[in-house]
This record gives sequence, structure tokens and C-alpha cells, in this order.
Amino acid sequence: LAKTTQPISMDSYEGQEVNITCSHNNIATNDYITWYQQFPSQGPRFIIQGYKTKVTNEVASLFIPADRKSSTLSLPRVSLSDTAVYYCLVGDTGGGNKLTFGTGTQLKVEL
Amino acid sequence: GAVVSQHPSRVICKSGTSVKIECRSLDFQATTMFWYRQFPKKSLMLMATSNEGSKATYEQGVEKDKFLINHASLTLSTLTVTSAHPEDSSFYICSARGTSGGRTDTQYFGPGTRLTVL
Repeated sequence: LAKTTQPISMDSYEGQEVNITCSHNNIATNDYITWYQQFPSQGPRFIIQGYKTKVTNEVASLFIPADRKSSTLSLPRVSLSDTAVYYCLVGDTGGGNKLTFGTGTQLKVEL
Repeated sequence: GAVVSQHPSRVICKSGTSVKIECRSLDFQATTMFWYRQFPKKSLMLMATSNEGSKATYEQGVEKDKFLINHASLTLSTLTVTSAHPEDSSFYICSARGTSGGRTDTQYFGPGTRLTVL
């Protein structure tokens, strides 16, 4: 299982763009990269998933360089409600697809 | 999107009793479900992987006789904490692996169950 490394915490202000980078140096060929958001006392919520290059949906963008050893979650114009823990995970698409949670990044958004 | 529910959302029980937690995938079939536990201010820890119709695979250090997992159908998995003790108090979260919006092998998580053992 590929290990991930993220910053423990980040601070931002409302309206700013936030970029959270995750390192996964030993990512395997079959691994996808998935980001989740978790609020206190709630289950993680799926944000975005990608394999390579760039993926964009209605809430975020995911940038993955060619070597796939890192990825960056980009949140445009954050608001107070984006204060949460963000987890980057990598896992294979076959087999049991076990996901190992790292420490995550605590994002704090202020006015 | 894919929705996973858990019941109950919170439970308080006396030490020595057993507690059952249900995990359901509401709008998709999940051949594989996962059970996690999370302590305050900590990350999620995988407890076991559950495949429909077969025995669960437990992570190292997780007692299979204490945490009974049943995955009887493609939409339901249950976790039973047997003879619960205060140290079992935690936030238990399930996830289901399925297909949503054309995307396969994505895990979708339930809202979690807060267990407090007195």
C-alpha cells in the first residue's frame, strides 16, 4: 500500500484558493488517487479521484504530474464551511482496494 | 451520488453487552465493504474488509471474535461489538466500494456510529 505524506495543517481566508499537496512516492501502476473531506463526527466525503494529469469537478481540481509521485488538490475560493480535514489516499483498482488513511491535512478557513 | 447509511448513529451501552451496527449501500450494490474506527483527533484505522457471502478479512491486531462482521447481501454489512468494554468506545465508520457516475472502485463512506461503553 502506497504511503502518503501531507502537511498536518493549513490556514487560509475566505475567498482564497487553497492547494494541498500530497506525496506518494511509491505509488503503484494500478493505483488511483482519491481525496476525501471529513468534518468532525462525520464519515469522510468523496471529493475527487484521478489517475493522471488533471481532473476537475464542481467542487475541486486535482493535478497529477507525469511521474504521479505527488498530487495537488485545489479548492477554489474557499469558505468557512470548507474547514475540515482533507485526506489523500492511493489504492489499486482491483483486488480489495484497501485504503490506508494518513494523518490528513487540517484546513482552517477564517474570515 | 452513491449513498451509504449507518444505523444507529450513536449508541450508549453498558460494559459487557453486545452492540450491532448496520451499514447499507442505498443506491448501489457493494461487493466489498470496509469497517474503520476513529479515535478523537486521529485518523481512520481500517479494521476489516468484508466481501459479500464470504468471511471478513481482519487487519493485524483486530480481534475477529470481538468484532463480528457479516456481509449477508450486496447492500448490507453488520459489525457486532461483542462484550463491549469502555476501551471499545470509538467512532465506527463503514465504507462501501461500488460504481457511481461511471467511476468504479471508489469507496463511499457512511456517516459513522458513535459508540460509548459505560
